[in-house]
Amino acid sequence: GDSVTQMEGPVTLSEEAFLTINCTYTATGYPSLFWYVQYPGEGLQLLLKATKADDKGSNKGFEATYRKETTSFHLEKGSVQVSDSAVYFCALRSLSGGYQKVTFGTGTKLQVIP
Amino acid sequence: DAEITQSPRHKITETGRQVTLACHQTWNHNNMFWYRQDLGHGLRLIHYSYGVQDTNKGEVSDGYSVSRSNTEDLPLTLESAASSQTSVYFCASSEGRGHSYEQYFGPGTRLTVT
Repeated sequence: GDSVTQMEGPVTLSEEAFLTINCTYTATGYPSLFWYVQYPGEGLQLLLKATKADDKGSNKGFEATYRKETTSFHLEKGSVQVSDSAVYFCALRSLSGGYQKVTFGTGTKLQVIP
Repeated sequence: DAEITQSPRHKITETGRQVTLACHQTWNHNNMFWYRQDLGHGLRLIHYSYGVQDTNKGEVSDGYSVSRSNTEDLPLTLESAASSQTSVYFCASSEGRGHSYEQYFGPGTRLTVT
């Protein structure tokens, strides 16, 4: 079945450091890939997405490229801010017999210190 | 602005009681979903609906039920609450069935079963 594996956190970085959160997946067919962000006490918000191989999703300085050859969708940001502190979820969505199935990773907590 | 709301935001109940969590969306989305979020598990799908009168079981549906009598609402009922159902519950909705459609999440309900 489908699965998503994220690096375990928490990840602690200083402000303006470079961020990478690794995400790899296994899936049948051609899924879409997503990164969601969850701020404390809130629901998940879509951060970026990519719907086919080699697509790059980007938003708010974050980027991730859909790499089919390595089944990866790593999240990167060149210079993190304290306001980026949150939990980040990698997810994939696939279609199976008309059923829209979404599989989430376990989440990676990011803490950015001034 | 369209939104998705959940109520209550926090609930404490006793083992064996029936509990209903409300979810209301004004996006006019056909698809609605209920997830639970637990440490180490990410988000797991409980039930989902593709439209009025349609409901389907997700991967962790035991002990839960839903009904869909209109487009806007998908209440989640715990028939007889158990301590294992202590969790944070998220409702989500999406526009279409295609795998590129993003899901919009509510703010969550923190349920404690004592």
